[in-house]
Amino acid sequence: ETGVTQTPRHLVMGMTNKKSLKCEQHLGHNAMYWYKQSAKKPLELMFVYNFKEQTENNSVPSRFSPECPNSSHLFLHLHTLQPEDSALYLCASSQERNLEAFFGQGTRLTVV
Amino acid sequence: QQQVKQSPQSLIVQKGGIPIINCAYENTAFDYFPWYQQFPGKGPALLIAIRPDVSEKKEGRFTISFNKSAKQFSLHIMDSQPGDSATYFCAASGGSNYQLIWGAGTKLIIKP
Repeated sequence: ETGVTQTPRHLVMGMTNKKSLKCEQHLGHNAMYWYKQSAKKPLELMFVYNFKEQTENNSVPSRFSPECPNSSHLFLHLHTLQPEDSALYLCASSQERNLEAFFGQGTRLTVV
Repeated sequence: QQQVKQSPQSLIVQKGGIPIINCAYENTAFDYFPWYQQFPGKGPALLIAIRPDVSEKKEGRFTISFNKSAKQFSLHIMDSQPGDSATYFCAASGGSNYQLIWGAGTKLIIKP
């Protein structure tokens, strides 16, 4: 079983849909992250949770809504997305902030 | 000041050659410089990391060279193999900014 598991692996959604991405980590880490990865661009940190508390929101549009019910699970709720939101969404965790981050395999999202 | 500039964007090297990927930063408070490796369909994985108290760190065939005065660091891959073909990201963090600041990535192809 991998350390950080993301589901689904692929998602196609219309601009009026509502969907959620799920992340689960089995590493006992305290910090969890959502990143957006677009081609030929640096990874964009979206949200940070530390001990289940959101500590960072890097100017992410409100159509992305994170949820962290416990230190092992992280969700990203999506609604009324735009085509430019199509990207690979990566979840990561670390024992503490600023230490090695372990990534999931990502969800490839396509907004049509 | 928060950017990490990575070059080249892509690199093709013959098997056995030594690809070199370079990164430069501005924020002198950065004190943690990791390199991540990402294969297609996978999330990034930590390859090697360095802190500014040393000028070089080796792990297997991978070496980080660090030049504090120039604010640059680079990744060298000795005796490169086709299995090293991947996208490589540098990153930096430190000071009041614990977030990892990422380079844009280098797509490396090792030709057999």
